[in-house]
Amino acid sequence: QKEVEQNSGPLSVPEGAIASLNCTYSDRGSQSFFWYRQYSGKSPELIMFIYSNGDKEDGRFTAQLNKASQYVSLLIRDSQPSDSATYLCAASSGGYNKLIFGAGTRLAVHP
Amino acid sequence: DVKVTQSSRYLVKRTGEKVFLECVQDMDHENMFWYRQDPGLGLRLIYFSYDVKMKEKGDIPEGYSVSREKKERFSLILESASTNQTSMYLCASSLPSGTGEETQYFGPGTRLLVL
Repeated sequence: QKEVEQNSGPLSVPEGAIASLNCTYSDRGSQSFFWYRQYSGKSPELIMFIYSNGDKEDGRFTAQLNKASQYVSLLIRDSQPSDSATYLCAASSGGYNKLIFGAGTRLAVHP
Repeated sequence: DVKVTQSSRYLVKRTGEKVFLECVQDMDHENMFWYRQDPGLGLRLIYFSYDVKMKEKGDIPEGYSVSREKKERFSLILESASTNQTSMYLCASSLPSGTGEETQYFGPGTRLLVL
């Protein structure tokens, strides 16, 4: 069974701090990795994707990928209360752009 | 902007009813997906379609069927609704594999309650 594992949280960080969210995946054939943000009662929205080993930065967000360790992470710098949400990690699997999702990590940013 | 819409935000049905959930995307995407999302379980793939009239089972297809008669529309059918199908249902669409753009874009979701 191919899986994506995330710590369910909640991860609590103070406003202005760096939030670090982690994810591991089991399918060595996965090539693409995605981070989605989901507010309570809403649908997931894409934050960023990463295909290559290393770091990818977009504004306050940095995704990190280590294929050898099968590990993906998302760093959120200068965390804001509006960043409080559940963050879903997803890995491509099996063609047709299918994704396997983790259960999500709940992030709480407190003032 | 990609737009994926779903026919209902909230739906209440009785056990045994036939339920139709519809999804429409306006970006000419080949791939469309249906997921259900339950607390602690994440998103689980029910069915997906990679072309008109083409469909493949996902991880949890039992009790569901799908229809894709037109490229922009993908319907999920609960043949005989049961209480364990109470869930949030999410539709998504994407371009085909190999385009370099594999992102799935989600609709707003339908929260279904089966009584």
